[in-house]
Amino acid sequence: DTGVSQDPRHKITKRGQNVTFRCDPISEHNRLYWYRQTLGQGPEFLTYFQNEAQLEKSRLLSDRFSAERPKGSFSTLEIQRTEQGDSAMYLCASSSRTVMNTEAFFGQGTRLTVV
Amino acid sequence: AQRVTQPEKLLSVFKGAPVELKCNYSYSGSPELFWYVQYSRQRLQLLLRHISRESIKGFTADLNKGETSFHLKKPFAQEEDSAMYYCALSGYNFNKFYFGSGTKLNVKP
Repeated sequence: DTGVSQDPRHKITKRGQNVTFRCDPISEHNRLYWYRQTLGQGPEFLTYFQNEAQLEKSRLLSDRFSAERPKGSFSTLEIQRTEQGDSAMYLCASSSRTVMNTEAFFGQGTRLTVV
Repeated sequence: AQRVTQPEKLLSVFKGAPVELKCNYSYSGSPELFWYVQYSRQRLQLLLRHISRESIKGFTADLNKGETSFHLKKPFAQEEDSAMYYCALSGYNFNKFYFGSGTKLNVKP
């Protein structure tokens, strides 16, 4: 599968623990996005990278959340001191801006459950 | 503020019936509009985008800037069209996509 891949697919953690998710975008894509999706809602934007630079962060992203994209390749999303409200599906997407193609390709997501 | 509204959470139709999934948006600039689909146990994938003016799997969508709408239509629904459909909006620089809350389409035999 040459699409966007996310790891792990599922994560159960105890409240207060730290978790880290990984996203491997499509190799030639320079743009990478993180989204969060809760039940009954559409994906909500969290943050955006162009190459290795984090260019935008949502106000939803508290200081417990941090994302990196070293060398403009894979990305990690870390949540510190998890809370039950962090339980959600975390989606990664990537895209490559060309004249004709502005599509964002999504990964399968990481489902986080905080108990 | 940017917003995408999908007023219907669930739309049930019989096979062969016409389908229209509604999407309204608010955006201060010139938006790019998309429809994404998520079939059961699969990832979100692009169905169509307004700039391409294409028809995918029999679906079409027309951007109406006056009514700020981008409704998705198909004249004859098929059972395999059953899925979650999300309308999405992006600005000119594509640094983020705003999604609606989704409409679940259920096509009954």
